[in-house]
Amino acid sequence: DSGVTQTPKHLITATGQRVTLRCSPRSGDLSVYWYQQSLDQGLQFLIQYYNGEERAKGNILERFSAQQFPDLHSELNLSSLELGDSALYFCASSVDSYANIQYFGAGTRLSVL
Amino acid sequence: AQTVTQSQPEMSVQEAETVTLSCTYDTSENNYYLFWYKQPPSRQMILVIRQEAYKQQNATENRFSVNFQKAAKSFSLKISDSQLGDTAMYFCAFMKRTGNTPLVFGKGTRLSVIA
Repeated sequence: DSGVTQTPKHLITATGQRVTLRCSPRSGDLSVYWYQQSLDQGLQFLIQYYNGEERAKGNILERFSAQQFPDLHSELNLSSLELGDSALYFCASSVDSYANIQYFGAGTRLSVL
Repeated sequence: AQTVTQSQPEMSVQEAETVTLSCTYDTSENNYYLFWYKQPPSRQMILVIRQEAYKQQNATENRFSVNFQKAAKSFSLKISDSQLGDTAMYFCAFMKRTGNTPLVFGKGTRLSVIA
């Protein structure tokens, strides 16, 4: 167990809908990263937050947004969902922005039908 | 931008044998980290081993070791005494040694350990 908790484990929804994925980092970790794993694109970085502030942005679509709350949990919001958004979404955490080890949650499997 | 290439989509090995997974990367950075992550059927991403680029000594973790060739930008993973539990996808990943940098992953190698 990595100590990173992601909910829900599975999510099935329809095109055009909006969903929220939740991540609780390891105790004491201030930095949260979101990654998307799809068959065609592999594992891609979406966005990073550190202690409530956005720190780095990757290949995140404009339909996607994220935030990190004062208790350090993070949410990834996906809206106007398309079939191609079906993927495994991982959250990872590290103790700070300079830490070189990221601990991954078990992921949320999103299926858009 | 950094890229990571894993040229072996699938590999198989007999139980108790040794297997080597290849990874090459491209970067203009001098200070960075390299990682191997394992993703078993449970989907969990598990850190296998980490190498710091400024260290010449190859990292070792029990049955797992790496061959890090900085000049060649090569970072292979050797698994000794393969076990059935080693069956998984293995991802090579790169991270710059500055703050706020994400992991850059290769496409992965699917390893099957055969009894």
